[in-house]
Amino acid sequence: TQLLEQSPQFLSIQEGENLTVYCNSSSVFSSLQWYRQEPGEGPVLLVTVVTGGEVKKLKRLTFQFGDARKDSSLHITAAQPGDTGLYLCAGRSGSARQLTFGSGTQLTVLP
Amino acid sequence: GAGVSQSPSNKVTEKGKDVELRCDPISGHTALYWYRQRLGQGLEFLIYFQGNSAPDKSGLPSDRFSAERTGESVSTLTIQRTQQEDSAVYLCASSSGGGGNTEAFFGQGTRLTVV
Repeated sequence: TQLLEQSPQFLSIQEGENLTVYCNSSSVFSSLQWYRQEPGEGPVLLVTVVTGGEVKKLKRLTFQFGDARKDSSLHITAAQPGDTGLYLCAGRSGSARQLTFGSGTQLTVLP
Repeated sequence: GAGVSQSPSNKVTEKGKDVELRCDPISGHTALYWYRQRLGQGLEFLIYFQGNSAPDKSGLPSDRFSAERTGESVSTLTIQRTQQEDSAVYLCASSSGGGGNTEAFFGQGTRLTVV
């Protein structure tokens, strides 16, 4: 079983602040995805990273895949209340077909 | 339909009763996943279907849990003799293939409460 650990588990910040969420594993992943989930909804894909060291930007969100493809980070610049939600990382190893999810980071951005 | 549809959206059942949860995936999607999400937590993998291959049942927590899928369409997750620890949101997702980069599209989930 591949385990994905996310930190922090909870994060409450003021609008305009920057933040970073981490996703770590002892396993190597062929690809890693980040999802955001709002209350009462299913998770929605934000980004997929596949190459070690890859960096992708989505407006104020920057995603990085570790060189060894065992970890990833999500950095949000100038957070806004609309960024509030549960952020989940998810990965697939080369052998496993199922998508393994991390425990999630609950982000609250206060106006 | 346009997205993944799950029913019912909410289910309250008495301890010891059986429940069936339904998932209608996006048309044409060959891969289908079931996950369980306890309050404020991440997603716990339950079972994965890919085309006509044997399902990956490695995440089912006990023999009270089972799931079926008819071809590449509807799937049903059945929980027998429900226990209070089964209370959670059960999420279904589908994708166009089992490849590493494919996006999983989720339904809104079924919130199961066992009383």
